[in-house]
Amino acid sequence: QVHLQESGPGLVRPSETLSLTCTFSDDSMIGHHGTWIRQPPGKGLEWIGFIYYGGSTTYNPSLKSRVTISIDRSRNQFSLKLTSVTAADTAVYYCARRPGSTRFDYWGQGLLVSVSP
Amino acid sequence: QSVLTQPPSVSAAPGQKVTISCSGSSSNIGGEYVSWFQQLPPTAPKLLIYENNKRPLGIPDRFSGSKSGTSATLDITGLQPGDEADYYCATWDSSLSNVIFGGGTKLTVL
Repeated sequence: QVHLQESGPGLVRPSETLSLTCTFSDDSMIGHHGTWIRQPPGKGLEWIGFIYYGGSTTYNPSLKSRVTISIDRSRNQFSLKLTSVTAADTAVYYCARRPGSTRFDYWGQGLLVSVSP
Repeated sequence: QSVLTQPPSVSAAPGQKVTISCSGSSSNIGGEYVSWFQQLPPTAPKLLIYENNKRPLGIPDRFSGSKSGTSATLDITGLQPGDEADYYCATWDSSLSNVIFGGGTKLTVL
């Protein structure tokens, strides 16, 4: 059974770093990409980036200068760091599994992160 | 404004068929696979269609996808009240080097 779960703070101060973790079920990510996608309140979906199980990454060019995605296979986790956040980064953040192309087949439940003083 | 264009809303009566379009260009839909997602707020999106026309296990055959040129289509037949949701198309854009989503279509079952 594939299961993903986001965790992290629900409130981040402007200019600080947003740090989230996605914990996945054993062996569910082998051979796949872990993905971060976000959705501002009342708006559409925005892809943030992928990390392959082996560690290679691909990022959204518009966020690339602020994003780092990493993986800790020993803990069954992959993580997102987004630096210098502003109110525009307020969103529900989802992690998902990607076997290929835009086939995001399993998603976490999502975590609302608000950026506010 | 999204690179992929979807109608903001569609509606139909229960039992009827609805079609949701997703229009792009040669750098995205024209050369890449398309996926479709269903989102019943406030829950996470759910994969309905991948690689243009394939359904994951558990997705009923009332949902079907197709692609022609630079446009893709999601058809839903035998509409049910539970189909009321937001629907998003997605693909890779080789010019932008980016996964792109359509702006979303809100389906209302009358």
